[in-house]
Amino acid sequence: GAGVSQSPSNKVTEKGKDVELRCDPISGHTALYWYRQSLGQGLEFLIYFQGNSAPDKSGLPSDRFSAERTGGSVSTLTIQRTQQEDSAVYLCASSWATSTDTQYFGPGTRLTVL
Amino acid sequence: AQSVTQLDSHVSVSEGTPVLLRCNYSSSYSPSLFWYVQHPNKGLQLLLKYTSAATLVKGINGFEAEFKKSETSFHLTKPSAHMSDAAEYFCVVRRPGGGNKLTFGTGTQLKVEL
Repeated sequence: GAGVSQSPSNKVTEKGKDVELRCDPISGHTALYWYRQSLGQGLEFLIYFQGNSAPDKSGLPSDRFSAERTGGSVSTLTIQRTQQEDSAVYLCASSWATSTDTQYFGPGTRLTVL
Repeated sequence: AQSVTQLDSHVSVSEGTPVLLRCNYSSSYSPSLFWYVQHPNKGLQLLLKYTSAATLVKGINGFEAEFKKSETSFHLTKPSAHMSDAAEYFCVVRRPGGGNKLTFGTGTQLKVEL
């Protein structure tokens, strides 16, 4: 079956612009996660959606970052007024509902801020 | 707080020889631990997970890991390396406090030589 998909695979933008990154989770998975992988910080958790509950935003690095999940499926991570330090690979993962379920990762979106 | 430390940033082995990738954890609870692998330009893939059942965990592609509470370790091993094993490996701990948020180690790059 289809895995987690992310688009675009690569995004180059200029400092100060807004960007939107998309994640399509595995069908039926109610939990969705965003992580960031950067040279300086390694892999870090950003935000977590579980069903209709309020998202856990505890990992978002600043208020320029936001995410939403429409209809319990597709998610969009938005970065406003991008900075060079936002350059990273943004990874999305999804899982079944419970806290012990395996997370399946997408291939990521490589963001480069010039 | 839960954390993991990967003791080697790079490991190089010859094809057909054993692989040992080291990971130590820090946790005030009984942790859930994972190993993920990331091949170049590919998404993260779960190799194996420990969730307080058997301490010796077998994963995919011949990998296994042993949870040793007395040593706070969760080292990844494979009896015989294959060229296709060359990748980056992440030791991961599940964060407490609800949800399924993961904390990643800094990664170990495995190189397999002929």
